[in-house]
Amino acid sequence: DIQMTQSPSTLSASVGETVTITCRAGQSISDFLAWFQLKPGKAPKLLIYKASSLASGVPSRFSGSGSGTEFTLTINSLEPEDFATYYCQQYIYYPVCSFGQGTKVEI
Amino acid sequence: EVHLLESGGDLVQPGGSLRLSCAYSGHSFSSYVFTWIRQAPGKGLQWVSSISGLSGPGTFGTTYYTDSVKGRLTISRDSSRNMVYLYFFDLKDEDTALYYCATTLSVGANLDSWGQGTLVTVSS
Repeated sequence: DIQMTQSPSTLSASVGETVTITCRAGQSISDFLAWFQLKPGKAPKLLIYKASSLASGVPSRFSGSGSGTEFTLTINSLEPEDFATYYCQQYIYYPVCSFGQGTKVEI
Repeated sequence: EVHLLESGGDLVQPGGSLRLSCAYSGHSFSSYVFTWIRQAPGKGLQWVSSISGLSGPGTFGTTYYTDSVKGRLTISRDSSRNMVYLYFFDLKDEDTALYYCATTLSVGANLDSWGQGTLVTVSS
């Protein structure tokens, strides 16, 4: 299993702020890295795939970067609906994959 | 619009069995890989199992399982019904979780379509 480590576990922020979440892979995964948003009672939502590609319908304030073992998700100018939990996922050996432990973005 | 709907979650005693279902509404069901992912209470996401489609990887119907469920789980698909199934045997307390069905519809993307999940509770 490829271990994925996210930081921080919890992030406190305000509407309008820019936040960054980091994800580190236990070995190089090239750019096979995705980011998901989870909200209680809702289906998980793909935000970013291939490390930096924005998924369809996702606002441009979300962006991803990185390759190899270090990746970041940046949310520019937080909106109220962005308060959620975010997970990174590696899929270099698709469909086998693994997730980070999650980062909760709270007010 | 593509829709995934999970069902079958229930309260089950340890050692029991259960079948989860995922209904796919959309086109080209046989083309896609389908994946089950779970989230235990207060925990993160965990990949559980996947089954290949006509577009790969590998041959149609190739199955993949996470180590902690191997031997206790079977994933299958029924193209006549556009359904994906997860058969659980010898359920353990640690299998308690919300189980999501997901697939990748857009070329190059990854798990861009999810259901809302079905809850499995293993308890005596």
